[in-house]
Amino acid sequence: EAGVTQFPSHSVIEKGQTVTLRCDPISGHDNLYWYRRVMGKEIKFLLHFVKESKQDESGMPNNRFLAERTGGTYSTLKVQPAELEDSGVYFCASSQLNNLVYNEQFFGPGTRLTVL
Amino acid sequence: DAKTTQPTSMDCAEGRAANLPCNHSTISGNEYVYWYRQIHSQGPQYIIHGLKNNETNEMASLIITEDRKSSTLILPHATLRDTAVYYCIVRVVFAGTALIFGKGTTLSVSS
Repeated sequence: EAGVTQFPSHSVIEKGQTVTLRCDPISGHDNLYWYRRVMGKEIKFLLHFVKESKQDESGMPNNRFLAERTGGTYSTLKVQPAELEDSGVYFCASSQLNNLVYNEQFFGPGTRLTVL
Repeated sequence: DAKTTQPTSMDCAEGRAANLPCNHSTISGNEYVYWYRQIHSQGPQYIIHGLKNNETNEMASLIITEDRKSSTLILPHATLRDTAVYYCIVRVVFAGTALIFGKGTTLSVSS
């Protein structure tokens, strides 16, 4: 079974440009999360989808970030316009939806974003 | 969420047991202890979780003190591939809870 995949693995853009990151969760996983780690900092939660709905977007830093999950399958995270402080590694994770037990989150390899 | 305290770094010889401590003295009754790790350049990986009983799986063992104020993750026979940052996370568990990562413990396993 394929794990969580993310595309691209690396992206280098200039300040002010737009970048779109993609995450394909494990098939059948209704929970999808975005996290990021900026240089020297801890991994921070950005937002959580349940199927196509945003369950929690409290971690989104500002309105330059837009996440979508149309159809409840893959998700995209768009940064527009990108700023220098957006550089870091963006992780996507997915898990099964089961209210009775804890389901581990499976993480993708991350997208390394560099804004110049 | 309860705050956790972990040592910044630890060393372990290959083949020996690695015991990683975590202090969570403000843990509440409905909060679980989770452990994840991040091997360099990879995404975090789930290891184990528990409420109050000791837990064991194919990767590790989790020992939680009776008062639940601290726990220890045990890798029984550490290998070089276990070199990673280990995160102890305390959260209320329900479906879909996001993870809150701290600084973790950098474990270095050497031959």
